[in-house]
Amino acid sequence: GAVVSQHPSWVICKSGTSVKIECRSLDFQATTMFWYRQFPKQSLMLMATSNEGSKATYEQGVEKDKFLINHASLTLSTLTVTSAHPEDSSFYICSAGARAYNEQFFGPGTRLTVL
Amino acid sequence: GENVEQHPSTLSVQEGDSAVIKCTYSDSASNYFPWYKQELGKGPQLIIDIRSNVGEKKDQRIAVTLNKTAKHFSLHITETQPEDSAVYFCAAISTGNQFYFGTGTSLTVIP
Repeated sequence: GAVVSQHPSWVICKSGTSVKIECRSLDFQATTMFWYRQFPKQSLMLMATSNEGSKATYEQGVEKDKFLINHASLTLSTLTVTSAHPEDSSFYICSAGARAYNEQFFGPGTRLTVL
Repeated sequence: GENVEQHPSTLSVQEGDSAVIKCTYSDSASNYFPWYKQELGKGPQLIIDIRSNVGEKKDQRIAVTLNKTAKHFSLHITETQPEDSAVYFCAAISTGNQFYFGTGTSLTVIP
């Protein structure tokens, strides 16, 4: 299957700072990228869908000003958690898909801990 | 929208036995049903998928069956091994290509 990478894999930050997470599709062009959040022992919760070159579509209840998503190219999307607080601590996972197919390929995830 | 239910939430089997995880969906327009395996601290990995024009698909020890009429699909793992222990998620993809995930099944294979 296609390879999707995330960076960093693990980040610890102080409350009030911003953290940027990168998601890259390494061997295919991803017209759509998705950002999920996962709490321990729970399923994936879709946060937003981003299409290359356009604004992200956020799910209900997700603050777009807090979780900034940029999909600047067909291989890169970024999620910036602004003014992070301890309750933002979570496992963030991206996935990438090509428009012609339904498949989504997931990144390895980023563990965010906000102190 | 789509609603995906997954059962059981936890499953323990002896090594060598089979494991079956079932999912139901609500939207008859859903046409793609992948299964993901997630190990602790890692992202989900696609292990098998099936489209609505097929009733069954098999890949070595893993198989998926789909019943469109009843709107349910199942993952079958035969000859389970300890390394099969993980959390498994089903998903259904409806119009707009949005994924709807099941709640996950924690599978433990006892050596």
